[in-house]
Order: sequence, then structure tokens, then C-alpha cells
Amino acid sequence: DTGVSQDPRHKITKRGQNVTFRCDPISEHNRLYWYRQTLGQGPEFLTYFQNEAQLEKSRLLSDRFSAERPKGSFSTLEIQRTEQGDSAMYLCASSSRRVDRGHFESSGNTIYFGEGSWLTVV
Amino acid sequence: KQEVTQIPAALSVPEGENLVLNCSFTDSAIYNLQWFRQDPGKGLTSLLLIQSSQREQTSGRLNASLDKSSGRSTLYIAASQPGDSATYLCAVRRHNTGKLIFGQGTTLQVKP
Repeated sequence: DTGVSQDPRHKITKRGQNVTFRCDPISEHNRLYWYRQTLGQGPEFLTYFQNEAQLEKSRLLSDRFSAERPKGSFSTLEIQRTEQGDSAMYLCASSSRRVDRGHFESSGNTIYFGEGSWLTVV
Repeated sequence: KQEVTQIPAALSVPEGENLVLNCSFTDSAIYNLQWFRQDPGKGLTSLLLIQSSQREQTSGRLNASLDKSSGRSTLYIAASQPGDSATYLCAVRRHNTGKLIFGQGTTLQVKP
């Protein structure tokens, strides 16, 4: 198990271009999360998936942002028509649902983060 | 709306000192609280997770406590080492959501 993997690690793009980030979660994890972090701040939640279903989406995720997890494994985060304000580190994380006394816990376990993808929009 | 605050924002201590990092949250209806470590330019490493029904968790030189009623958690680091220098973040999660709400972090420097 190699942990959560993100690609690319760094991306410099011109304003107005589209960018896509990929995340490969820990193999047995069915939950996948995207966060955004700017310098000096804690990460901010963007969205999360359980298997292929996108269950929550932040208001931070404008129409220019879209995330997918088509087969319930890897995920992509696409930013269209990038703006300078999109410059940040985009973090992916994963976790698993825990079965407790025969019932699924709705959101129980440790969340594991990847190394992040740095985006610079010039 | 849940808000998470970490004080102090930065801390510098000599090697060998025991220290406490603080985290407070405004809504006590949490499912769990997780402490993370972040090195400059890197992702987050999970340190400890405390479920809402628990009072503390320990891992090596780290001990995290949770007082849900007062909306506080502390991370205690014993016998600090230069390798402990990093930013420490706490995050809370509510029931029935995958969303973590983070504090802004405490940046720790341990001087040799």
C-alpha cells in the first residue's frame, strides 16, 4: 500500500487554461475527499465521494470546478478557465467506512491525505 | 456554523521541553477530532483521532485529549525534538458528513 497518490505534484498554468488533477486513494478505501489549502491557512473542504457517488460539495466549488470518480477508484478534479485566485495546493484524501456491530458507521475513520498538487496560475 | 481555532499560531521551544497545543471548536456536536502534522510544502500526516465518546488518545510521545462539552482539545508533545518542527492542525467532523473543518494550525519550531 503506497498511500494516497496525487498527480501532478506541481502545475504552472496561464490564466484561462484548464487543468486536471488526479488522485489515487488507498486501495481499500471507498471514500475520497478533495480539499484546497492556501499559504498559512488550514485546508478547506471542496467535495467528497463514497464509491462513485459525490455526496457533498462545498459552495467553494464554483461552476468552473468539477470532480469525478467514475469507477469508484481514482478521482479527477478539473478547473476550467483558471484564475489567479485558484493558486493553491489541492489535497486529496481517503478513508474507509467502518462496520460496527453490523451497522455501517456513516463517517468514522481516520482520513489519510496525499502529498498535494500545487497549482500556480500566472 | 462550526469554527475551529488554534492558539498559539506559532511556538518556539528549546529541545527537550514538554509542550501543549490548543484547539477549540464552537459546536460541540462533533463525531470525532483528528490531529495532523504538516511539513512545509507537504501533505498532512494523521497523528491521532479521538472519537466523540473518548477522552484521550496516545501515540508514543503524543497525547491528545478531548473535552467535548467545553469545545476543547489539546495535543501534548513530550520531550520535544527538532524533528517535531512542523505545523500541527486539528480538524473536527460532524455526524453524517465527510467534511473536516480545520483550524489554521500552530507552527512549532523546536530549537536544538
